[in-house]
Amino acid sequence: GQNIDQPTEMTATEGAIVQINCTYQTSGFNGLFWYQQHAGEAPTFLSYNVLDGLEEKGRFSSFLSRSKGYSYLLLKELQMKDSASYLCAVMDSNYQLIWGAGTKLIIKP
Amino acid sequence: DTEVTQTPKHLVMGMTNKKSLKCEQHMGHRAMYWYKQKAKKPPELMFVYSYEKLSINESVPSRFSPECPNSSLLNLHLHALQPEDSALYLCASSQEQGSGANVLTFGAGSRLTVL
Repeated sequence: GQNIDQPTEMTATEGAIVQINCTYQTSGFNGLFWYQQHAGEAPTFLSYNVLDGLEEKGRFSSFLSRSKGYSYLLLKELQMKDSASYLCAVMDSNYQLIWGAGTKLIIKP
Repeated sequence: DTEVTQTPKHLVMGMTNKKSLKCEQHMGHRAMYWYKQKAKKPPELMFVYSYEKLSINESVPSRFSPECPNSSLLNLHLHALQPEDSALYLCASSQEQGSGANVLTFGAGSRLTVL
């Protein structure tokens, strides 16, 4: 079966750095996505990785290792507005998007 | 402005009602989607409309029926729903289905409550 694992919840301090991990086992791989979702709102796209390595986009970076079936989202200089759920999703060989359950990130002052 | 527009934002309906959720995208995308999302769960794909073809998740009950009047509109008709259908319904669009970098742009969602 297809499976994506992420921690259910994480807590971090404003101004700090946090890393949200995602491991996956899917039927094929056509890329990995990270979306941010604030409570009661729609998801918004953060990053896409299809090749191994680190993609940096401002305060957010995403890393992928295909051989390990592993990705992480790195958030730097945390702000209170970063409190949200972060969803990892993998596109499988049939171009179907498989979603993780999401990681709720709580930022404390 | 949101590039994927969903209406209404909130809907309360009884189990015998017939209602519709509307979705319009203004980006010239070739694929549109309906997702259902329960609290603290990831989105579940219900329907995909791409290249004039509708794909249905077989687990979706027939009380949900999609309608695609044109390539920029994807409506969801609701009939005889159950309380467990209460959820956030998300419409999304993408450049095209079947490509790797298929970034979804979501609408703001329609919060449905079935009494």
